[in-house]
Amino acid sequence: DAKTTQPTSMDCAEGRAANLPCNHSTISGNEYVYWYRQIHSQGPQYIIHGLKNNETNEMASLIITEDRKSSTLILPHATLRDTAVYYCIALKGDYKLSFGAGTTVTVRA
Amino acid sequence: GAVVSQHPSWVICKSGTSVKIECRSLDFQATTMFWYRQFPKQSLMLMATSNEGSKATYEQGVEKDKFLINHASLTLSTLTVTSAHPEDSSFYICSARVGGHQPQHFGDGTRLSIL
Repeated sequence: DAKTTQPTSMDCAEGRAANLPCNHSTISGNEYVYWYRQIHSQGPQYIIHGLKNNETNEMASLIITEDRKSSTLILPHATLRDTAVYYCIALKGDYKLSFGAGTTVTVRA
Repeated sequence: GAVVSQHPSWVICKSGTSVKIECRSLDFQATTMFWYRQFPKQSLMLMATSNEGSKATYEQGVEKDKFLINHASLTLSTLTVTSAHPEDSSFYICSARVGGHQPQHFGDGTRLSIL
């Protein structure tokens, strides 16, 4: 699976949009980009995934650049409950998720 | 939808005992289930992958005789930590997947403490 690079940490203001970047410059054509988050002491929660088109669901939007070398997860209106570690993962056909360090997002009031 | 239930959520036991953890997909049939382990301040590490009715595939460095996995049905997988010792204390998390490029959905984890 392609290696992904994320910032170590980010602070976001409550009520504002949170934009979480992820670089995956070596991603191959058949690798999807998945985003998960892990709130303290819980199992990871699936957020969204995509291949090359932008995606939106009730939790977030995923913007993938045209060359697919990077993507941005957007939480439209961050709340205190969005404080978590966010993982960006590029995944091939064996479907084994490889969790890196992720981005620790702290939403502040 | 896509709920994965893991039980128990917390277990404390003496060194040398065996502990069984259950993972159930409540509202879907999972072709594949995964078991992870997470030590404090570290990320999740995949231990093994299991498909219903077949033997689990273990990641390098994970002892298959110590961590027994049974995937009895499309909705149930169990992990048994045999002869547990304090170094096995960790947060164990399962996930389940339908198939294709559908995402994995995770349980809430089991915190295992071996005294």
